Amino acid sequence: DTAVSQTPKYLVTQMGNDKSIKCEQNLGHDTMYWYKQDSKKFLKIMFSYNNKELIINETVPNRFSPKSPDKAHLNLHINSLELGDSAVYFCASSQDPGAAGDNEQFFGPGTRLTVL
Amino acid sequence: GQQVMQIPQYQHVQEGEDFTTYCNSSTTLSNIQWYKQRPGGHPVFLIQLVKSGEVKKQKRLTFQFGEAKKNSSLHITATQTTDVGTYFCAGIEGSQGNLIFGKGTKLSVKP
Repeated sequence: DTAVSQTPKYLVTQMGNDKSIKCEQNLGHDTMYWYKQDSKKFLKIMFSYNNKELIINETVPNRFSPKSPDKAHLNLHINSLELGDSAVYFCASSQDPGAAGDNEQFFGPGTRLTVL
Repeated sequence: GQQVMQIPQYQHVQEGEDFTTYCNSSTTLSNIQWYKQRPGGHPVFLIQLVKSGEVKKQKRLTFQFGEAKKNSSLHITATQTTDVGTYFCAGIEGSQGNLIFGKGTKLSVKP
């Protein structure tokens, strides 16, 4: 079974549209994240959610909004898509970051978003 | 804010040669993680270093954490084509556990 899954894998859409990317983890982790990886492969954290509370919100446009219906899901909704939003978006999860031991992050397979 | 710098950006080696990537932070890290991303894939956790001066080995991979906990390195001995990919270091910042990724080192191995 896939530990962290994302849908869709590919998303091609027009500028100005609204789209969502779904993420689910079956690891029982407390924290989930969204990352953006640009064409230069730079990974930048966008959001993290811990127990349905946003604990990190980096300087991303407010067109991006994470939505967590429960601890196992963290979806990413994007309004009014722009050309610069084209990238690969990765969902990830981990145990409580403050806990002892390896708090590795498990990444989903990624969603390649192309805005035309 | 905290920055994690990683060099080199690219490294091309002949199969069998060694490879090293270096990571430096502008601030002291509570710990550091290393990830590998194969072409077209997603980042996969390799290891976490916590203690000052710590050295860990995984087969041909050797990871080091500096005494001041501001720098780290990953060394691969006798590279193989299966080592191809981008290697990222990521520093843990503060108590919230925010991962700050370096820009990665893309390794290509010529058979």
